[in-house]
Order: sequence, then structure tokens, then C-alpha cells
Amino acid sequence: DQQVKQNSPSLSVQEGRISILNCDYTNSMFDYFLWYKKYPAEGPTFLISISSIKDKNEDGRFTVFLNKSAKHLSLHIVPSQPGDSAVYFCAASPSTGNQFYFGTGTSLTVIP
Amino acid sequence: EAEVAQSPRYKITEKSQAVAFWCDPISGHATLYWYRQILGQGPELLVQFQDESVVDDSQLPKDRFSAERLKGVDSTLKIQPAELGDSAMYLCASMVRGGRMNTEAFFGQGTRLTVV
Repeated sequence: DQQVKQNSPSLSVQEGRISILNCDYTNSMFDYFLWYKKYPAEGPTFLISISSIKDKNEDGRFTVFLNKSAKHLSLHIVPSQPGDSAVYFCAASPSTGNQFYFGTGTSLTVIP
Repeated sequence: EAEVAQSPRYKITEKSQAVAFWCDPISGHATLYWYRQILGQGPELLVQFQDESVVDDSQLPKDRFSAERLKGVDSTLKIQPAELGDSAMYLCASMVRGGRMNTEAFFGQGTRLTVV
């Protein structure tokens, strides 16, 4: 049972434009959310996080938005750069433990 | 910069053989995770340690997989016997003690296992 879902397996964006990656979750016990970026043959690297007490967190070109009522979060990358091309995983952690549940990933391609 | 070390990076093994992976977490990180990532899917938790104790191994196929962290530092994940469906990337991650909110799990580069 997939508790964290990324329904878009791939996304292509022109360099300089905005990339929007979406993530949905089903478990109302999740209260901490993270985005990881993964290049081929490497482990995931942390990108940005948000706790459920916030609805937005910004770090440079990356902004994560959380809509708790819709159980939805999104990652915005502005402006997109070719080096952003990677697989992005959404992850969620429940209030009852320190495990991370991952989505299936979205492969982002930024076209120069 | 501190990092999670994993070895080997790549492993090819024949089915029914035994295979083992090693992970050395970031120094001082009490929580250690083993994840499996099948191509096209997200990482799935296999086992979670807190120090030397297993916190969660509910998703670990215990008939063939075993994991240990005897001294609460480095960890070994073993598969015996390996099956074709075990081909995946095996990721180790660690996190500070008590971490969760406003902290993240740091991942190693993974071990890419191919079972032939």
C-alpha cells in the first residue's frame, strides 16, 4: 500500500522556467515531509523539508508548499537549471516514529 | 564532510549465492536504515536500527535477509540465497539520535546488486 504517491513519473521543463513536482499522501499521521534529489548510481541527497505546522518553506530556488487538508505537497524550482535534472523523491515521516516513507519519484529533465 | 559509507558500490552474484553489504554511518548517528530501491520505484525500508537494536524489520524478508549492527556503529545486510528479484540498489542511511523533525536521513551512495 503506497502511502506516498508521485503520480507523474517524468517531467520536462525548459531552462529558466518553473518546475513543479507534486506529491500526495494518504496517512494523516504524517507530519514531516522532505524532498530528496537522486542522480543515477548515487544515493538520494536531501533537498528541502517542511513540517506540518507550516504551509511553505523556501530555500533559494526551491520552495515546498504543503496543503494538509488536501494531503498534498509540491516542490517548486525557479528558475530551473540543467543541473536540476534528476529524480526527485517525496518522503514523509509519521508523528509516531522516525521512519521515512518514499514516493515513487519524478524524473525531471531541464532542457537547455 | 561526513558521509555514509557503503561497500561494495556494485555487486554481481549468481542466484542462490550469498551476498553481503556493509554500511558505516556518519559518526554519532544512532539511527541506521537499510532501504531497497527497485528501478522505477521509491526506496522501501527493510530494517531500522536504533544503536544496536532493531526498531523495525517488518518489511525484511527474514527467510533470506538478515541485518546486524553488533556494536551500534557499522552494519551488515546479508542475503542468502539471492534471488533474481533481489536485483536493486541497497541504500543505507543514518540520522542523529532523536532526529526526525527538522532533520533528515543522510544516504550513502548505495550498493547496486545484480543477480544473474
